[in-house]
Amino acid sequence: GQQVMQIPQYQHVQEGEDFTTYCNSSTTLSNIQWYKQRPGGHPVFLIQLVKSGEVKKQKRLTFQFGEAKKNSSLHITATQTTDVGTYFCAGPGGGADGLTFGKGTHLIIQP
Amino acid sequence: DGGITQSPKYLFRKEGQNVTLSCEQNLNHDAMYWYRQDPGQGLRLIYYSQIVNDFQKGDIAEGYSVSREKKESFPLTVTSAQKNPTAFYLCASSIGLAGPEQYFGPGTRLTVT
Repeated sequence: GQQVMQIPQYQHVQEGEDFTTYCNSSTTLSNIQWYKQRPGGHPVFLIQLVKSGEVKKQKRLTFQFGEAKKNSSLHITATQTTDVGTYFCAGPGGGADGLTFGKGTHLIIQP
Repeated sequence: DGGITQSPKYLFRKEGQNVTLSCEQNLNHDAMYWYRQDPGQGLRLIYYSQIVNDFQKGDIAEGYSVSREKKESFPLTVTSAQKNPTAFYLCASSIGLAGPEQYFGPGTRLTVT
């Protein structure tokens, strides 16, 4: 079945440094979604990318969808303590299974 | 105020007992899902339902059961057959399957001793 892999699993950064997480799918995706889960919280939808090569920005967050629609990245510029959490990518599963989530990247920020 | 509610937030049970986790949504969404999350892990799909009176097994359905008698409700029963039931359980809903964003409830943290 479809697999969605994310790297790195953990990322420690100093506050103010940039952060990037990468997502790779074993199959071509019709779209990819990104979610953020704060410590002790639940996942919250951030964005959906649909088009090949698409780039979207939300303030300090930049999301990219690869040309082949099999990979994606999330880049945060100048991290702040409010960015702490786990970032998940998710893509439609094979058949009608809903979404397949990656294991997430845990972002830890040191002040 | 629309959203998804899960209750209770924390649940403790003795081994060998069945336990039912509640999930209710008032978003008028057709699709609902149950995920399990273990420490440091991603979300693993237990069951999902596309429509009332229909549901499908996800990747880790063994030891769990669900029902979908109403559009708003999708309760999950963790049976005594589930070997490692202690986990964080998340319910989600979306307008339809495979594409639209999913809205998550606050989760239920189940501890079985």
